[in-house]
Amino acid sequence: AQSVTQPDIHITVSEGASLELRCNYSYGATPYLFWYVQSPGQGLQLLLKYFSGDTLVQGIKGFEAEFKRSQSSFNLRKPSVHWSDAAEYFCAVGALTGNQFYFGTGTSLTVIP
Amino acid sequence: NAGVMQNPRHLVRRRGQEARLRCSPMKGHSHVYWYRQLPEEGLKFMVYLQKENIIDESGMPKERFSAEFPKEGPSILRIQQVVRGDSAAYFCASSPVSVDEQFFGPGTRLTVL
Repeated sequence: AQSVTQPDIHITVSEGASLELRCNYSYGATPYLFWYVQSPGQGLQLLLKYFSGDTLVQGIKGFEAEFKRSQSSFNLRKPSVHWSDAAEYFCAVGALTGNQFYFGTGTSLTVIP
Repeated sequence: NAGVMQNPRHLVRRRGQEARLRCSPMKGHSHVYWYRQLPEEGLKFMVYLQKENIIDESGMPKERFSAEFPKEGPSILRIQQVVRGDSAAYFCASSPVSVDEQFFGPGTRLTVL
């Protein structure tokens, strides 16, 4: 069955520190992978996506993610976190048929000064 | 190009009433998806529609919930005889083709009293 696991419910980092948010997926075919960010009371904004090709993808706001097929992972990274990055982050896997996305339960990021 | 529009942003209903949630996809997008987000959870797929057709409703509760995407006008998610457990944020997303990034609206937050 398709599923996405984000093992970290909540992460706290200091401003300027590096960040890595974990995402593991279970999918029976070639996955399309996405990271979205959600600010409180808002909708979801796409940070980056992986369809094929280079396994290291660059996104907006200085984020990047690496697809590792052998580990079924698609971890999100940022070298230096800003206070404005505090939000909820969701990893999602999409079906080749495009019917739906499967979302993880999210990781809440707190940034301390 | 306006993004995905959803209205109302907040909706309060008493138990037993009907809730109608509207979604206008981005211009040029003919694929619409509805998701539900319960507190402290990720988004769960409900239904996928193209113009005048329901493609996948595997995530929709069997009773009280229905969705449509008419030839003209917005997509509608309808919940009849609402119960407290229906309280959630309902997000609509659209895409230009089936296998692509989904663009999310700001959501409708339904509260059932």
